[in-house]
Amino acid sequence: DVKVTQSSRYLVKRTGEKVFLECVQDMDHENMFWYRQDPGLGLRLIYFSYDVKMKEKGDIPEGYSVSREKKERFSLILESASTNQTSMYLCASSRTRFPDTQYFGPGTRLTVL
Amino acid sequence: GQNIDQPTEMTATEGAIVQINCTYQTSGFNGLFWYQQHAGEAPTFLSYNVLDGLEEKGRFSSFLSRSKGYSYLLLKELQMKDSASYLCAVRDQDGGYNKLIFGAGTRLAVHP
Repeated sequence: DVKVTQSSRYLVKRTGEKVFLECVQDMDHENMFWYRQDPGLGLRLIYFSYDVKMKEKGDIPEGYSVSREKKERFSLILESASTNQTSMYLCASSRTRFPDTQYFGPGTRLTVL
Repeated sequence: GQNIDQPTEMTATEGAIVQINCTYQTSGFNGLFWYQQHAGEAPTFLSYNVLDGLEEKGRFSSFLSRSKGYSYLLLKELQMKDSASYLCAVRDQDGGYNKLIFGAGTRLAVHP
């Protein structure tokens, strides 16, 4: 079974803090994704990566950055957390070749005070 | 633009059949996924359609009509554990990359 893990299930931070969300997958998947999930809006893609040290902006990259130094690890960084970044953050991974089903981690619920 | 619509909430009775609809408008359609998400948990893959027609997998079936921009997820012999959100997601080819665009999800409540 594919396993995608995230470093924290719940996180509380203060406005202006730098926040790191870590994601690790154990299936040697090439592709990794970061989403946020908000009520009524569904999952929205923040950033994705198709290879080590490679990153692409998703639909809502503002206020976020990412790092992929190793194939199995994809980090989401909030340089200066703001209250509108309070959300559920979900990491996913997939292989490049068909079928490229995305497998999700359990999510991190981040609250910014 | 890109748009995916599905009902916000549905209720059904244990043992019954329920159909969850999804309509979409995307520029580079390349397949459609259904995911199940229980409260507080990760979405898990249910089904995938890229060609028109019905895909059946046990109690769950998914249908796609590309010309109509329409899909549905059919759940038969409903069980209490089927109470969850069901997410419709379209694979959209954009700039050489395939991305998933998600609908807001349909929250299904199954009652005894």
